[in-house]
Parts: sequence; C-alpha cells; structure tokens
Amino acid sequence: GQSLEQPSEVTAVEGAIVQINCTYQTSGFYGLSWYQQHDGGAPTFLSYNALDGLEETGRFSSFLSRSDSYGYLLLQELQMKDSASYFCALYRDDKIIFGKGTRLHILP
Amino acid sequence: AAGVIQSPRHLIKEKRETATLKCYPIPRHDTVYWYQQGPGQDPQFLISFYEKMQSDKGSIPDRFSAQQFSDYHSELNMSSLELGDSALYFCASSPRDRGRRYGYTFGSGTRLTVV
Repeated sequence: GQSLEQPSEVTAVEGAIVQINCTYQTSGFYGLSWYQQHDGGAPTFLSYNALDGLEETGRFSSFLSRSDSYGYLLLQELQMKDSASYFCALYRDDKIIFGKGTRLHILP
Repeated sequence: AAGVIQSPRHLIKEKRETATLKCYPIPRHDTVYWYQQGPGQDPQFLISFYEKMQSDKGSIPDRFSAQQFSDYHSELNMSSLELGDSALYFCASSPRDRGRRYGYTFGSGTRLTVV
C-alpha cells in the first residue's frame, strides 16, 4: 500500500516563504505531484517530480528525494490568493493517490 | 481553452435513490478518472478509463458503476444511495502519455447530497 503524510495546517505571512513537507511510504511509484485546491474548487496541478531534485515553476518549487521518501513544496512571495489546501500526490499504476492535504493560512 | 465539464453541479437525492453523474473530458484526452472527496478529506480515487476500457479501480463501492462511451464522455452511476455518499465527485482527464508530467485536469465537480 501507500500512505502520504503532510502537516494538516501551516500558517505564514504575506510576502514570506513557506515550505510544505510530504513523507510517504510506498512500494513503488512514478513520481510525486502537488495540487492546489481552494475551498469548494477543483484540484489544480502545480508540479511534478519524477526524479530527485528541485523543479521550479514561477513562485512554486517542488523537491523530491526518493532515498529519504520525502518531498516538499516551496511557495515564495506568498500572496493572499495562495490561501488554499495543498496536496502531495503519488503517481502509481494508472492513478494518483492524494495525501491528506495541508491547509495554508496566510496572514496579512 | 476547453475544460473538463461535469454535470450536474449540484444534486440532491434521497436515500436508496439512484444518481448519474456525467463527465466530458478535454478533447483528445484519452483517460478519465473519477474521485470522491468528502468534507475536509482528500480526494479518493474511484475508477479510471483509458480508451473506453476500465484501466484501474480504487475504493469504489459495488453500488457504483461507471463507463466511458465512444465519444469519451464518462458516467458514474450510483445506486441505493446512502447518507455517507454525500460528497464532491470530481472527474479528471489527461492524455495518457503526458498525464504524469503535466498533471490531470479536474472538472468543477458534482456536489451530491443524500438526504
């Protein structure tokens, strides 16, 4: 089986940097993705790491270390609109398995 | 750009009734996925289809069935509805060979309320 662990909530200040961690236990997967979901909205794809290392997309970066079973999402120059839930997700077989999600609160 | 279309947006049903949710994927996306998301929960994978054939199955109750049609739209049929079936149901689509790198595109979801 597989399980992904993330903090349930994180709070940061507007303009700051925040890191959301994700640890996992699985017997095999293609890669690790991150999705953003605003309240009542649909999950939106942010990033994908197939290999170890850092992937950067604008204000968002994602990191994967397969040897440590660990990944993170880094959000820079936080904006109020970044207040949302963030899910790490494993690609396994023909589907993605979501973590429990981290709710990001941003203070002005 | 075209998105994933789901209908209806909201649905209220009574216990033991049936419901049908529809999903129209992005054109040229050959894979469709269904997810169920309870309040405050993560999306749970139900079932997926590739080229109109079931490709993977998750924690989908036997009361639920799904299929993908020749025009690639998909329907999720839910029978003998229970209160616990109340949730947001998302459909997502992707091109199979690029789904991992570029992610799935999710529809806006159908909010099912069972009373």
